[in-house]
Amino acid sequence: QTVVTQEPSFSVSPGGTVTLTCGLTSGSVSNTYNPSWYQQTPGQAPRTLIYNTNTRSSGVPDRFSGSILENKAALTITGAQADDESDYYCVLYMGGGIWVFGGGTKLTVL
Amino acid sequence: EVQLLESGGGLVQPGGSLRLSCAASGFTFSHSVMRWVRQAPGKGLEWVSGITADGGVTRYADSVKGHFTISRDNSKSTLYLQMNSLTAEDTAVYYCAKGGDASYVYYFAHWGQGTLVTVSS
Repeated sequence: QTVVTQEPSFSVSPGGTVTLTCGLTSGSVSNTYNPSWYQQTPGQAPRTLIYNTNTRSSGVPDRFSGSILENKAALTITGAQADDESDYYCVLYMGGGIWVFGGGTKLTVL
Repeated sequence: EVQLLESGGGLVQPGGSLRLSCAASGFTFSHSVMRWVRQAPGKGLEWVSGITADGGVTRYADSVKGHFTISRDNSKSTLYLQMNSLTAEDTAVYYCAKGGDASYVYYFAHWGQGTLVTVSS
């Protein structure tokens, strides 16, 4: 069974830079998995941040960027702000209409 | 503005059934791939099901295959999820989500606010 891995938690100082990753227990993540990233605060619906590996969704600040780093999809936040404190989820497309979300990363800004 | 409004959630007994609806507006529904995603209390997101724009192809996560059925009525711009033989493990907030536009469909472009399904006796 394919498992998508994310760091359970991460912390960053205000103004700092953090990179969250999205990997596979078996194999490497590439653009063919169409990685995308979502931000969710408690009690709210997810918000789309990044799709197609590195394309920002409409209205998303440019301090959010996506890439492939060392066989994983990556979400980098540059100049973190207090309201970036959220849960972040990646999802990979496995083909055949099947999607698998990662377990999410809880980001703390302190 | 894209709007997705889920309804139909509530409390249901184990073994029971429920049908969720997602009313869409602000885009050409009949041209859009649609999906359901759920989130159990305190847990992460889980893709549940997807359906092509014309309704001709459906896909399901292994956890719901044979128990859930996704469908759509393009004349009503509404997405559905029929859930049967419900168990406590199906307790979650259920979100409907729109796929990307014709140029790139491989993501979850817009999300509804979700509807809570609680399976309990």
